[in-house]
Amino acid sequence: RKEVEQDPGPFNVPEGATVAFNCTYSNSASQSFFWYRQDCRKEPKLLMSVYSSGNEDGRFTAQLNRASQYISLLIRDSKLSDSATYLCVVSPWGGYNKLIFGAGTRLAVHP
Amino acid sequence: DGGITQSPKYLFRKEGQNVTLSCEQNLNHDAMYWYRQDPGQGLRLIYYSQIVNDFQKGDIAEGYSVSREKKESFPLTVTSAQKNPTAFYLCASSAREGGNQPQHFGDGTRLSIL
Repeated sequence: RKEVEQDPGPFNVPEGATVAFNCTYSNSASQSFFWYRQDCRKEPKLLMSVYSSGNEDGRFTAQLNRASQYISLLIRDSKLSDSATYLCVVSPWGGYNKLIFGAGTRLAVHP
Repeated sequence: DGGITQSPKYLFRKEGQNVTLSCEQNLNHDAMYWYRQDPGQGLRLIYYSQIVNDFQKGDIAEGYSVSREKKESFPLTVTSAQKNPTAFYLCASSAREGGNQPQHFGDGTRLSIL
């Protein structure tokens, strides 16, 4: 089983749609959680950290369910510019700042 | 502007050749990392360094080597022992260890075999 699993997609949605991505992780002792965004042939960029109580940044909402070991990202009112691959990232317990990356979920927003 | 600079953007390697990828950061970050990304896959950690003159192997270190002589610099050498070097290589840095700091990435180097 992969340490971080995501549905690869693609998710094809019209502009204005709401779309949700889920991600599961295998290490129950994981400490920190992030969503990164990666455009085609570019480097990943931090979208948002994910906090236990859930958090929101504009149109983006992240949720963490430690009991079920999954993380979600909700995008409301999708824009064409949201088209990208979204990477779920988990940091396991202790030690150095090791990050485990999921393979990503591709989102394509169309007019 | 603070950031991470990787060079070159594109690199071609001949059989039996070692090549070195550059990574420089001016964010004053202690920790630096090298990842490899293959199509349709997540990033895999090659090497990381938490402090100058110290570095550790990641999950796929075979065929690679690094050095950390300066805080700002963490070059990666892809040796001839790496039989499948074609990939997108990403360098990252973070403020401190502890598992709760996001990493910031350079814009990557694409390596191909001639």
